[in-house]
Amino acid sequence: GQNIDQPTEMTATEGAIVQINCTYQTSGFNGLFWYQQHAGEAPTFLSYNVLDGLEEKGRFSSFLSRSKGYSYLLLKELQMKDSASYLCAVREYNNNDMRFGAGTRLTVKP
Amino acid sequence: DAGVIQSPRHEVTEMGQEVTLRCKPISGHDYLFWYRQTMMRGLELLIYFNNNVPIDDSGMPEDRFSAKMPNASFSTLKIQPSEPRDSAVYFCASSLLEASRGTDTQYFGPGTRLTVL
Repeated sequence: GQNIDQPTEMTATEGAIVQINCTYQTSGFNGLFWYQQHAGEAPTFLSYNVLDGLEEKGRFSSFLSRSKGYSYLLLKELQMKDSASYLCAVREYNNNDMRFGAGTRLTVKP
Repeated sequence: DAGVIQSPRHEVTEMGQEVTLRCKPISGHDYLFWYRQTMMRGLELLIYFNNNVPIDDSGMPEDRFSAKMPNASFSTLKIQPSEPRDSAVYFCASSLLEASRGTDTQYFGPGTRLTVL
């Protein structure tokens, strides 16, 4: 099975950088995903990591360390619209289902 | 593409009634997922299908829940009888395993907000 842990809430200032951490335990790792979910809306895909290292996509980057069971999502040049919940999800080997963490609610303040 | 389509968007029903939620995945996607989201439990996978065949239904809470996928463009999640604790947002998602990219991003529908009184 999987345990996926991430902080419940975070607050940051507009224009700043914030890092959201995710730790996981899985019997067979096959990919880690980050999703953004605004209140009352569906989750939307942000990033995917299956190999160790950093994946950069514009203002968002995601890092993975498989040996440590650890990932983080880095958001740069924060904007007010980045206020949302960020969900970490892990896929197990040979399966196509994903298990989601409880999500981190990020509040960006002026 | 219109994306994943779910209906209804909102459903209010009374305890004991049958509820049917509907989903149309993105055309060409061969995986379909049903999730439930509540404040207490977060986003939970209920069941998923590959090529219309149920693969893993271990997340289905109990026998009151059932899901079908009669063809590649339609799936239903049924709750019979419904109970107040079933109140949640139910999401449908679909994906296509892109082996060349090694990723299978799931695209979520807008969700159905179910309230059981």
